[in-house]
Amino acid sequence: SYEMSQPPSVSVSPGQTARITCSGDRLGDKNICWYQQKPGQSPVLVIYENIKRPSGIPERFSGSNSGNTATLTISGTQAMDEADYYCQAWDSYTAVVFGGGTKLTVL
Amino acid sequence: QVRLVESGGGVVQSWRSLRLSCAASGFTFSNCAMHWVRQAPGKGLEWVAFISSEGSHKMYVDSVKGRFTISRDNSKNTVILDMDSPRIEDTAVYFCAKDGAAGGPTYFDNWGRGTLVTVSS
Repeated sequence: SYEMSQPPSVSVSPGQTARITCSGDRLGDKNICWYQQKPGQSPVLVIYENIKRPSGIPERFSGSNSGNTATLTISGTQAMDEADYYCQAWDSYTAVVFGGGTKLTVL
Repeated sequence: QVRLVESGGGVVQSWRSLRLSCAASGFTFSNCAMHWVRQAPGKGLEWVAFISSEGSHKMYVDSVKGRFTISRDNSKNTVILDMDSPRIEDTAVYFCAKDGAAGGPTYFDNWGRGTLVTVSS
């Protein structure tokens, strides 16, 4: 089965840029999305189809996907962005797969 | 406004079965694929099952194949997950999620609040 890996944790200072990676074999050939989950809450879609941002998601969230790595970038990180972030891939062979999740800490 | 409300969770013995339901509103349910996703306590997200908009296409994660069954009733805007012979490792919060595209599976653009299933021996 297909697997994707994420760093367990990422730390960033307020106002700086946070980058959370998701790695997998030929990941760039797949469609990737990203979810934000705060403690005790349901996940929220923040990026879909690699680069698209749902309505209501701040412009500071952006995504990229190439080669073996997809990246969620949060520019000008705010304290409210502290959460767990999950990448997710889908295709006709793997159906749906999640990365292990990354805890973003805003110091 | 999309709303997904799960029900049916609780404590279940491993020799019994459990039915989870998800009541959907705020969108044209019969046009949308649906999913169940779970999260074990303190762990990450795990996709469990997918059902196409008309119910003819179903997919499951390997660990639940042959034990769980996803179904839907488009007349009642409801998606169901039947859990037979649950295992201790099936203990998790189960989320109902709406697929973001007409086909699917793709991504989840709306989630319910989840229902907790605890499996005991």
